[in-house]
Amino acid sequence: KAGVTQTPRYLIKTRGQQVTLSCSPISGHRSVSWYQQTPGQGLQFLFEYFSETQRNKGNFPGRFSGRQFSNSRSEMNVSTLELGDSALYLCASSLGTDSQFFGPGTRLTVL
Amino acid sequence: GIQVEQSPPDLILQEGANSTLRCNFSDSVNNLQWFHQNPWGQLINLFYIPSGTKQNGRLSATTVATERYSLLYISSSQTTDSGVYFCAVLIPETSGSRLTFGEGTQLTVNP
Repeated sequence: KAGVTQTPRYLIKTRGQQVTLSCSPISGHRSVSWYQQTPGQGLQFLFEYFSETQRNKGNFPGRFSGRQFSNSRSEMNVSTLELGDSALYLCASSLGTDSQFFGPGTRLTVL
Repeated sequence: GIQVEQSPPDLILQEGANSTLRCNFSDSVNNLQWFHQNPWGQLINLFYIPSGTKQNGRLSATTVATERYSLLYISSSQTTDSGVYFCAVLIPETSGSRLTFGEGTQLTVNP
């Protein structure tokens, strides 16, 4: 089975721009979660989607949003980028409440 | 919310040495995972181990759920074992779930 894929792998944006990241889960997995990793805050949960519905959301401002499509692929969007949004964004997929499997991540740099 | 603490924060070993990484959590959990973050940032699944003991080659893990800790053992360490090791617990919530990560243990294995 192919693993979780994320695109793009690297991204450079400037403050005020918006960005969209994509995640394709393992075939058959309907749950997709997003996490942000920064040196100062560690790994933090952003949101979880299951069957096109957002089931859970972390403590992030409304500039962070996401969605899931009928094929379970997910996108997350960050609007009005700030310097502090520079981070590694990781996507994970799972069948439900068992093991989560992570993609390679998207490294976002905001200048 | 649940707290996840890992120790030690940093560990430096010579190739061939053994090591034990510890993960303490503040509440009972149904799901605990160990990950190795490779130099490119991807989280690689090591173990899904809510309780009991598992082994995979030179790595093994034990979770004592009643005492709220898990241990990751690395035997005969190799330079390729270097990286950050995370434990994470899955927190079921009113709707959905989320992984809560520890701060990680930075392992350096010198030749």
